[in-house]
Amino acid sequence: KQEVTQIPAALSVPEGENLVLNCSFTDSAIYNLQWFRQDPGKGLTSLLLIQSSQREQTSGRLNASLDKSSGRSTLYIAASQPGDSATYLCAPGPGTYKYIFGTGTRLKVLA
Amino acid sequence: NAGVMQNPRHLVRRRGQEARLRCSPMKGHSHVYWYRQLPEEGLKFMVYLQKENIIDESGMPKERFSAEFPKEGPSILRIQQVVRGDSAAYFCASSPRDRTGELFFGEGSRLTVL
Repeated sequence: KQEVTQIPAALSVPEGENLVLNCSFTDSAIYNLQWFRQDPGKGLTSLLLIQSSQREQTSGRLNASLDKSSGRSTLYIAASQPGDSATYLCAPGPGTYKYIFGTGTRLKVLA
Repeated sequence: NAGVMQNPRHLVRRRGQEARLRCSPMKGHSHVYWYRQLPEEGLKFMVYLQKENIIDESGMPKERFSAEFPKEGPSILRIQQVVRGDSAAYFCASSPRDRTGELFFGEGSRLTVL
């Protein structure tokens, strides 16, 4: 059974800092891993998708890495901005059809 | 290409009534997932469907909940005889293929049971 842990649970930083959000998962038999952001009262927005054969993906100020064998993924956010404030969720899978989500990291970037 | 469309966005029901939540996947997507999010909690998988087939319903409560994805039309999540504990946000996601496809989410349907 896949279990996903995200650390830290919450993070508050001043604008401009570089950030590292961590995601660990117990079942490494995955096809891909996806990172999302969720704003309060909204749906999830896909940020990055890393296929199991890849080690990282980049989109603008975001970079996600995947170490499938150790069950870890990391999301780097460069030069954080107040607009980055949201909850960030990772979802490895699907090893068995369903994407399992972590409980997320609540990020607040202070102006 | 319109995104995943969910309706209604907000639904209020009294205990014992039925709730029907609809999800239209992105064009070309034949894989639909339903998730439930309770206040201050994470997303919990409910069911995974392909057109006309339920593939994995391991997250669905055994009673009162059902889902379908007909050949034509949206996917429907149906909750019969709602109770206060059903109050939550229900999210639908679609994907162009299983296992390797990217998930795209709708804005969710927020159910409040009085």
